Amino acid sequence: GESVGLHLPTLSVQEGDNSIINCAYSNSASDYFIWYKQESGKGPQFIIDIRSNMDKRQGQRVTVLLNKTVKHLSLQIAATQPGDSAVYFCAENNGSGYALNFGKGTSLLVTP
Amino acid sequence: ETGVTQTPRHLVMGMTNKKSLKCEQHLGHNAMYWYKQSAKKPLELMFVYSLEERVENNSVPSRFSPECPNSSHLFLHLHTLQPEDSALYLCASSQDLGRGGAYNEQFFGPGTRLTVL
Repeated sequence: GESVGLHLPTLSVQEGDNSIINCAYSNSASDYFIWYKQESGKGPQFIIDIRSNMDKRQGQRVTVLLNKTVKHLSLQIAATQPGDSAVYFCAENNGSGYALNFGKGTSLLVTP
Repeated sequence: ETGVTQTPRHLVMGMTNKKSLKCEQHLGHNAMYWYKQSAKKPLELMFVYSLEERVENNSVPSRFSPECPNSSHLFLHLHTLQPEDSALYLCASSQDLGRGGAYNEQFFGPGTRLTVL
């Protein structure tokens, strides 16, 4: 079946470095993608989204890149801070409205 | 805080117990959702409500029974659960369902950590 997955289950980076979290998807009909952040003891929190008619979108310290040719999505976090330590999920929507297909998540650990 | 609260935050129950999870949203949203988050598995959508009407029941066993008395409150009634039902149950809300390709951002509560013995 269609799936959304993450290349790496864990990522450890030093404070101040840039982080890159990757995600692969298989549904070519997906037209909307979201990155969520989930801190310990909390629910997922929206970070940034991108539509399939774009290949890059920037937010505050975060950038999402979309490569539709290879069905790959990435989240870049600039100058990673301890508060960025969390699990990061990608999710895709195929235009059906509310239904999201979530990846398993990558755990980001920021070390001092 | 996201404006979505869930109680209790932790629940331990036996397989013969009956319990309920509660979700309340203070955002004036019209749509509410229940998700299941198991260890090492992606989030799974269980139920969707729009204006108190259920619009999706995603092949969830009948031992999970949702209830949406109004657009601000959502319950998940649990009975005769199995140990494999142990998970984090997340509630979310959005302004509307976002049909026709327009996605409405979903705001998640902190979840209820459920353990079935």
